[in-house]
Amino acid sequence: DAGVIQSPRHEVTEMGQEVTLRCKPISGHDYLFWYRQTMMRGLELLIYFNNNVPIDDSGMPEDRFSAKMPNASFSTLKIQPSEPRDSAVYFCASRSGGANIQYFGAGTRLSVL
Amino acid sequence: DQQVKQNSPSLSVQEGRISILNCDYTNSMFDYFLWYKKYPAEGPTFLISISSIKDKNEDGRFTVFLNKSAKHLSLHIVPSQPGDSAVYFCAATGPNAGGTSYGKLTFGQGTILTVHP
Repeated sequence: DAGVIQSPRHEVTEMGQEVTLRCKPISGHDYLFWYRQTMMRGLELLIYFNNNVPIDDSGMPEDRFSAKMPNASFSTLKIQPSEPRDSAVYFCASRSGGANIQYFGAGTRLSVL
Repeated sequence: DQQVKQNSPSLSVQEGRISILNCDYTNSMFDYFLWYKKYPAEGPTFLISISSIKDKNEDGRFTVFLNKSAKHLSLHIVPSQPGDSAVYFCAATGPNAGGTSYGKLTFGQGTILTVHP
């Protein structure tokens, strides 16, 4: 299995631009999680889906952030408009129902100038 | 409200010696605990876990101990190797009141382990 695949690995953009991060979970996994890692806040959960349905988005920082999961093999995290304080590493993870272990992608390093 | 805390930002150990990484939690609803290892420019990878019905789980050089009364867990690595140098995250999970967030992991801030040859 290829594992969780995230793209792009690096994204550099200017303040005010729209940014879209992508994630392909492990085939057969029915939970998908989006995390953000910063020096100040560590690894924090933004949102997670079960069977493509958002279950808990309480970690989404503000309305500029949105996430979708149109099907079982694809999810996006969008920031519009982006701000310098959004600079962080964004991770996607997936797991199968009934298991507690989440498997992480390699992350997307976002820099907003 | 930091429910999972790793109070040591870093730890330095000599190759061959024991590494002990510590983690404290405050939420008594947590009933499953995990350790992840993270290398630079990679995502966290699962290392070892323990259920609250146990107080010890061992996998090769890695052992996790859980003290429920103290709300404390630790990861022991014996013997430590230079390849173990990484950031180690403690994570916890458990059912919430409505049961809808079971499986959501809460992470500690991480401990940077450096194993010197």
